[in-house]
Parts: sequence; C-alpha cells; structure tokens
Amino acid sequence: NAGVTQTPKFQVLKTGQSMTLQCAQDMNHNSMYWYRQDPGMGLRLIYYSASEGTTDKGEVPNGYNVSRLNKREFSLRLESAAPSQTSVYFCASSEYHGTGPFGPGTRLLVL
Amino acid sequence: GQQVMQIPQYQHVQEGEDFTTYCNSSTTLSNIQWYKQRPGGHPVFLIQLVKSGEVKKQKRLTFQFGEAKKNSSLHITATQTTDVGTYFCAGGVTGGYQKVTFGTGTKLQVIP
Repeated sequence: NAGVTQTPKFQVLKTGQSMTLQCAQDMNHNSMYWYRQDPGMGLRLIYYSASEGTTDKGEVPNGYNVSRLNKREFSLRLESAAPSQTSVYFCASSEYHGTGPFGPGTRLLVL
Repeated sequence: GQQVMQIPQYQHVQEGEDFTTYCNSSTTLSNIQWYKQRPGGHPVFLIQLVKSGEVKKQKRLTFQFGEAKKNSSLHITATQTTDVGTYFCAGGVTGGYQKVTFGTGTKLQVIP
C-alpha cells in the first residue's frame, strides 16, 4: 500500500520547457488535488478532481493543465515553464477534501 | 475570498516549554484541519474539528475550534525535539464541494 506517489522527485527546467508531473494513489479515493508550496507560505490549490472524469480550477490555475487519467492517476502539466513556477508541488487524495494524505512532493526549479 | 491567517510565523522554545499557534479565518468555517510538516517533508494530517467549541486531544497536543467557528488553536504541552516542524491549519467551507484554504503556517523550533 504505497499511498500517494509522485514522480519525479526533483526537476530542473529552462524557461519555456514543458513537463508533466505524475501522481498516483492506491486508496481508491475519488478526489485528488494538486498544490504548490512556496517558501514561507502555506499550500495553494492549483487544480482538483472531485471524481474520475472531472477537473476544476483551484486558487492558482494559470500556467497549468491537469488530466484525471483514471481513478488512480492525476497529472499536472506545465506547457511553458516560467521562473515563477519554481516551487514544491504536492499531490493529495481523499474522500473528503482536507483530510487525505499528501504525496512526497516534486521540487521544481525553473531557470 | 476566504483568508486564513496563522500566528506566530515562527516560534523558538526550550525543550519542555509549552507552545501555542493560533489560526484565524476571515469567514465562518464548516471545519478546520491541522497538519504538521517536518523540514523537507510533506504535510501530514493531524486532526479535523467540526463542532463549535470543540476540543480534541492527541497525547500532548490539544486542538480547539472557536465558538464562532472562525478561529482555532493548537497547543503542545512540554515540547520535545520531535515536535519540530511547521504546523498548518486549513479552514474548510462546505457548499457542494468543500473548499479548503491553508494558513501560512507556524514554524516551531525546539532547542534541546
């Protein structure tokens, strides 16, 4: 039972490059979330998926797209990375928002 | 929009001293959650409070939800070095889908 897994753990991008962050959960949760965490700040919701087949914008969606591939997987894509997207990205899943486990995070540096 | 503020931002305590962090929401909440994040780690869910005036305890940790459901506190008795980390509150507002807003966190350092 791995819980929530994220890949990659670390990534360095140049401005304008694209990448996809992967997230998977094995707890059969309906809801999944993507957050970003910047130094000295709390977590801000980027996108969420309340159930398979649905996605909705969170607090800071600009510059990102998501795909809920199936019940297990929820990916986050940066089409054209910008230095302002340097952050730590956390995926989470739960049956009820705010209580679910978080993944280990992806540390992204955009140069 | 909904804002959740936490104070203090940082707290250094001597091991064995007590510690309290406060969380205040700009709007009435349906519930509040508390998380702990160790340095370099990910947030770990600690507890959720739902009822007005609710108090819950987990060993040395005491969590309170205000009567007006707009504020909350986390109190740690006799801190230990294992308590080091950042404590976040997250206010939930339910309306169809629950919207959760995280506070800015309180970073606790425990001096042995």
